[in-house]
Amino acid sequence: DIQMTQSPSSLSASVGDRVTITCRASQGINNHLAWFQQKPGKAPKSLIYGTSSLQSGVPSKFSGSGSGTEFTLTISSLQPEDFATYYCQQYDTFPLTFGGGTKVEVK
Amino acid sequence: EAQLLESGGGLVQPGGSLRLSCAASGFIFDRSAMAWVRQAPGKGLEWVSLVLPGGGDTFYADSVKGRFAISRDNSKGTVSLQMNSLRAEDTAVYYCAKASGGTFPQSRNFDSWGQGTLVTVSS
Repeated sequence: DIQMTQSPSSLSASVGDRVTITCRASQGINNHLAWFQQKPGKAPKSLIYGTSSLQSGVPSKFSGSGSGTEFTLTISSLQPEDFATYYCQQYDTFPLTFGGGTKVEVK
Repeated sequence: EAQLLESGGGLVQPGGSLRLSCAASGFIFDRSAMAWVRQAPGKGLEWVSLVLPGGGDTFYADSVKGRFAISRDNSKGTVSLQMNSLRAEDTAVYYCAKASGGTFPQSRNFDSWGQGTLVTVSS
């Protein structure tokens, strides 16, 4: 199975900060990498697919990059509605696997 | 806009069975793969199962293989998860997820999620 490792597991940031979350795959995944946002008690929301493509309706403050086994999600200017937990997921190979999550908290 | 509505969750004893359903609307159902993803209390996301648009191709996590069965009814726009031999570690919120298409890689790219249904396995 492909292991997905996110770092950090949590971070504290302020409104307006630029935030970067890293996701490492245990082997190459051909850029088949997605990012999701989840708020407490809510369903995940799809943000990015194919490493860097925004899902429809997702604001451009979110961006994804990377290749090979290392990927990043960047929020250019953190807003109050962005405090949440973020998950990466590889969909190159079954079983589909998620990272452990990164909780973005208010500083 | 895609809408997914799960039902069927509840409390079940270890070794028991439960059937989850997901009613889909707002998109062409038989063009999208569908999946179930679960989240144990306080834990992260875990993919459970996926079915391709035709219904004949199904995939499972090792943790549920042989116990769970996914199916879909394209005439009704529903996807189901039959869960047998339930264990305490199956306790989770189960989310229905829609893929963006029916062939790889779109068939594994989840672009919409339901609100989830809670399954509790306990005596």
